[in-house]
Amino acid sequence: GDSVTQMEGPVTLSEEAFLTINCTYTATGYPSLFWYVQYPGEGLQLLLKATKADDKGSNKGFEATYRKETTSFHLEKGSVQVSDSAVYFCALRANTNAGKSTFGDGTTLTVKP
Amino acid sequence: DVKVTQSSRYLVKRTGEKVFLECVQDMDHENMFWYRQDPGLGLRLIYFSYDVKMKEKGDIPEGYSVSREKKERFSLILESASTNQTSMYLCASSLVGTRSNQPQHFGDGTRLSIL
Repeated sequence: GDSVTQMEGPVTLSEEAFLTINCTYTATGYPSLFWYVQYPGEGLQLLLKATKADDKGSNKGFEATYRKETTSFHLEKGSVQVSDSAVYFCALRANTNAGKSTFGDGTTLTVKP
Repeated sequence: DVKVTQSSRYLVKRTGEKVFLECVQDMDHENMFWYRQDPGLGLRLIYFSYDVKMKEKGDIPEGYSVSREKKERFSLILESASTNQTSMYLCASSLVGTRSNQPQHFGDGTRLSIL
């Protein structure tokens, strides 16, 4: 079945550091890929998405590129802020599973001033 | 803007009670979902509905049931609450779409404690 593997956390960085959170996936067909973010006390919200190979999703300074050859969708940001502290989830949605998504376990990011 | 509303942010119930968690979306989405979120276990799908009165079991349906009488509302029911159902519950919705590119939209969650 489909699966998503995320880099284990927690991750602690200083403000303005470079962020990478690794995500790899296994899926049949051609899934769409997503990054969601969950701020403390809130539900998940979509951060960015990519729907086909070599697409780059971007939002709020975050980027991720859909790499079909390596089945990866790594999240990057050039300079993190304290306000980026949150839990980040990688997810996929395949055509074959009637609308359900498969989520990674989440990576907790803490950014210190 | 898209809105998924869960009826309670915090709820405290007693063992053996029947508990109802309500979720409403205003986006005319066909799909609705209930997850529970526990530390170290990520998101686990409890039930999924792809249309009114239609439902499908997720990964952990035991001890739960659902109801979808109207398109905008999806209820999660704990038939006889137990302490191991203490958790954060998240509701989500999405469009079916003709492709897989539709994200899920989440409510803010209900933190349920069973005493």
